[in-house]
Amino acid sequence: SQKIEQNSEALNIQEGKTATLTCNYTNYSPAYLQWYRQDPGRGPVFLLLIRENEKEKRKERLKVTFDTTLKQSLFHITASQPADSATYLCALDEAGNNRKLIWGLGTSLAVNP
Amino acid sequence: GAVVSQHPSRVICKSGTSVKIECRSLDFQATTMFWYRQFPKQSLMLMATSNEGSKATYEQGVEKDKFLINHASLTLSTLTVTSAHPEDSSFYICSATEGGQYNSPLHFGNGTRLTVT
Repeated sequence: SQKIEQNSEALNIQEGKTATLTCNYTNYSPAYLQWYRQDPGRGPVFLLLIRENEKEKRKERLKVTFDTTLKQSLFHITASQPADSATYLCALDEAGNNRKLIWGLGTSLAVNP
Repeated sequence: GAVVSQHPSRVICKSGTSVKIECRSLDFQATTMFWYRQFPKQSLMLMATSNEGSKATYEQGVEKDKFLINHASLTLSTLTVTSAHPEDSSFYICSATEGGQYNSPLHFGNGTRLTVT
């Protein structure tokens, strides 16, 4: 069956460290993968999009990797800050006649001062 | 940046009544808007895709007569929950894109928390 999985347990890290979040998928062949941030009671906010032919993408303190062989994307936040505390969602496109974005459950990140 | 405004942010209604939620793209034209529902501890679930000037495409299991979607202009889409029941209580979020759904960023509204009593 098709699945998209993110770290199910909340991630707690110390301020200044690098947070690494994982998104694994099975039985999909996405051409694109996206990462969003969601704060409680708010809509998601777009962070990064990476294409299947891109290995890595960076934006300020954020870095995303996309390994189509491992069927995995890693999302890194370097020099983390308490303001980075949120839930991070990955989403990939489901190819086919009814192409749409499929969303992971998200990983809750808490950065402790 | 692209801003999507969604109203109301919270609504409480009685069972059997209808509720309308508005979604506006403020600084861009959204040819396509999407309506999602999110239950606690669950992932975003796409309810329907709406294109300006045409009928919405509903996902399997979503009743089109219960969740009426109108996308009358390039900047406005509305979702009406008709004859709401307590099981319709959820967090409804709209999103819009200037490009394709899966190869362009989605810009989300801040959601509407619907509580049906």
